[in-house]
Amino acid sequence: DQQVKQNSPSLSVQEGRISILNCDYTNSMFDYFLWYKKYPAEGPTFLISISSIKDKNEDGRFTVFLNKSAKHLSLHIVPSQPGDSAVYFCAASARRGGADGLTFGKGTHLIIQP
Amino acid sequence: KAGVTQTPRYLIKTRGQQVTLSCSPISGHRSVSWYQQTPGQGLQFLFEYFSETQRNKGNFPGRFSGRQFSNSRSEMNVSTLELGDSALYLCASSPGPKEAGNIQYFGAGTRLSVL
Repeated sequence: DQQVKQNSPSLSVQEGRISILNCDYTNSMFDYFLWYKKYPAEGPTFLISISSIKDKNEDGRFTVFLNKSAKHLSLHIVPSQPGDSAVYFCAASARRGGADGLTFGKGTHLIIQP
Repeated sequence: KAGVTQTPRYLIKTRGQQVTLSCSPISGHRSVSWYQQTPGQGLQFLFEYFSETQRNKGNFPGRFSGRQFSNSRSEMNVSTLELGDSALYLCASSPGPKEAGNIQYFGAGTRLSVL
């Protein structure tokens, strides 16, 4: 049973436009969410995080939105650049309670077209 | 500051053998977590160590074990290897345990192939 779902395995966006990556979760104990970016042959690199007490967090070109009632979060990248082409993972954590570490989605492969 | 270092980067073993993977966390980080990444299952949590104690454990058989040393370095061991253990094993470190809500920083991983 997947507790964190990224329903789009891939997404193609033109350079300069907005990239929107989506993530849904089912476990209401999750209270901390993170986005990671992964290039081939490298480990995941942390991008941005958000606590469940917030609904938005911004860091440069990256903004994460959290809708707790819908159990949905999204990552917006504006403007998209060629170097953003990578696999993006959404991850969630139940900081108090629960035996798991980070629970990851299966990733979305973002391709930025020139 | 050096990042998370995992050794070796690549490993080939045969079924039935055992393997030990090593992870050196970022200096000052005391929590180390291990994950398995496979094409079918994605990234799955194995276990977390903090101050030499296993704090959390994922849903993996007892063949998967780990430990953490007093300098926060960690090792994970897989005994009686099976073909399905072929995967990328990732180590992540953070300053404190997951309750602190710290960001986890990942190493490049060890690619294990079981023949």
